[in-house]
Amino acid sequence: DAGVIQSPRHEVTEMGQEVTLRCKPISGHDYLFWYRQTMMRGLELLIYFNNNVPIDDSGMPEDRFSAKMPNASFSTLKIQPSEPRDSAVYFCASSGRGVGNQPQHFGDGTRLSIL
Amino acid sequence: LAKTTQPISMDSYEGQEVNITCSHNNIATNDYITWYQQFPSQGPRFIIQGYKTKVTNEVASLFIPADRKSSTLSLPRVSLSDTAVYYCLVGDMRGFQKLVFGTGTRLLVSP
Repeated sequence: DAGVIQSPRHEVTEMGQEVTLRCKPISGHDYLFWYRQTMMRGLELLIYFNNNVPIDDSGMPEDRFSAKMPNASFSTLKIQPSEPRDSAVYFCASSGRGVGNQPQHFGDGTRLSIL
Repeated sequence: LAKTTQPISMDSYEGQEVNITCSHNNIATNDYITWYQQFPSQGPRFIIQGYKTKVTNEVASLFIPADRKSSTLSLPRVSLSDTAVYYCLVGDMRGFQKLVFGTGTRLLVSP
């Protein structure tokens, strides 16, 4: 089975540029999550979707961040405009029914560097 | 959400058994305990999940005492490839609850 697929694996761009991160969840999973990991703050949940609908975006740091899930097999996380403090590893994860009773499957992440 | 506390780091040698204990004093009745493993440059990976007593799979064992205020992840005969960060999480099984990853335990296995 293919796992969660994220692209690109690495992204280096200058501040002010738009950044789009992509995720393909595991087929059949109902939940999709976007996380950010930094040394200072660890692994933080940014937003999650259930059946393509955003449920909780309280972890999104500010309006520069947006996420969409146009269909069950694709999601994007967009940062516009990007800033150096957005540099981090961004993970996408998916799960079958819910956090409490199904494990989350993570992709290998996108390492984002904003210069 | 039940708060968890685990050691920041642990050291071991190849072939030894490693036990990582997590405290979750305010665990609720419907909460399950889940452990994830994260290697450098990879996303966390589910290891094991349990509610009470003992759970064992091909990777690890999870021991949960009767009061459920703590749990211990046991890794038998570790190898160098077990060097990773291990996260303990507690969450409600009845429905969706956001996962809160703490700082985890950084395990270093040496030859």
